[in-house]
Amino acid sequence: AQKVTQAQTEISVVEKEDVTLDCVYETRDTTYYLFWYKQPPSGELVFLIRRNSFDEQNEISGRYSWNFQKSTSSFNFTITASQVVDSAVYFCALSVYNTDKLIFGTGTRLQVFP
Amino acid sequence: DAEITQSPRHKITETGRQVTLACHQTWNHNNMFWYRQDLGHGLRLIHYSYGVQDTNKGEVSDGYSVSRSNTEDLPLTLESAASSQTSVYFCASSESGLNNEQFFGPGTRLTVL
Repeated sequence: AQKVTQAQTEISVVEKEDVTLDCVYETRDTTYYLFWYKQPPSGELVFLIRRNSFDEQNEISGRYSWNFQKSTSSFNFTITASQVVDSAVYFCALSVYNTDKLIFGTGTRLQVFP
Repeated sequence: DAEITQSPRHKITETGRQVTLACHQTWNHNNMFWYRQDLGHGLRLIHYSYGVQDTNKGEVSDGYSVSRSNTEDLPLTLESAASSQTSVYFCASSESGLNNEQFFGPGTRLTVL
């Protein structure tokens, strides 16, 4: 069975601090995909990144970076120099090859205070 | 611009009533999904479809049904609404193929009294 765990329920930081959101996944499949989505207070879900299990290169996009480590089954998300606009719930999700179904973690609520 | 819409955005109904939530996408995606979001559970898959006339049960399908008569629409029906179905419902769509990212609608907040 597949599972995604986001152990941090809520994180509060002050603007300009760096923050890392943890994601640990479980699957017996060798081919799978990992995702991060952002849900701002307005409620919509915004896609951030998709990574397949064969690509362990870290990725950086502006202030966002992702660290994928198969050895620890983790796909962590770091926001550098956080801003108030980063305040949202962030979801990590897993999709097993060729199923297209997403298995979500329970989300981490990030609050960035000015 | 292509988009995915849901209606209504808010709905209040009574226990035992049938309710249908609409989902319409103009991405021309074959895959469509319905999730419910509840505190402490994240998003859980209710039903999904890989194309016209195809429907499949997800993790929490009891009490829900879907039908897919065209590419654009996947309505979600609650046959007899229960208070446990009070939730926020999200529809999503994606291209067929290698686990592509899903695009989500704005959500429908359903309250069952």
